[in-house]
Amino acid sequence: GQNIDQPTEMTATEGAIVQINCTYQTSGFNGLFWYQQHAGEAPTFLSYNVLDGLEEKGRFSSFLSRSKGYSYLLLKELQMKDSASYLCAVRDSNYQLIWGAGTKLIIKP
Amino acid sequence: ETGVTQTPRHLVMGMTNKKSLKCEQHLGHNAMYWYKQSAKKPLELMFVYNFKEQTENNSVPSRFSPECPNSSHLFLHLHTLQPEDSALYLCASSQDPSAPSYEQYFGPGTRLTVT
Repeated sequence: GQNIDQPTEMTATEGAIVQINCTYQTSGFNGLFWYQQHAGEAPTFLSYNVLDGLEEKGRFSSFLSRSKGYSYLLLKELQMKDSASYLCAVRDSNYQLIWGAGTKLIIKP
Repeated sequence: ETGVTQTPRHLVMGMTNKKSLKCEQHLGHNAMYWYKQSAKKPLELMFVYNFKEQTENNSVPSRFSPECPNSSHLFLHLHTLQPEDSALYLCASSQDPSAPSYEQYFGPGTRLTVT
């Protein structure tokens, strides 16, 4: 079966750095997405990785290793507004998105 | 503002009621999706429409009935639901479901409670 694993919850301190991991086992691979979802709001797109390596976008970076079935989202200089759930999703060989259950990130002052 | 709107935002219905959820996208996309989001579970894809044609139906019970009159509007008709159907129902749209890099844009969701 297809599976996406990510931690259920993480806590970090304002101003610090946090890394949210995602491992996947899917039938085929056509890219990996990270989305941010604030409580009661729509998920919003953060990043897309299809090749190995690090993609940097401001305070957020996303890394992919296809051989390891592994990705992480790195958030730097954490702000209180970064408190949200972070969803990892993989597009499989049928171009369907397979979603993880999300990681709830709690930022403390 | 994501360009995808959903109404109503909250809905409470009894098991014998019939109601409809509405989604509208203002992004000129070709594909629209219905997802179910339950607490601490992955997003479950329910239906996909591409150019108004249904292309995916992931074994969804018949008490959920989608309708896509045009590329901008999507409905989810609900009847005789069960309490376990209580969840957040998200609508999304994208340029092309078969293009790997196109992200999906989500609406804010309808929080459904079945009593």
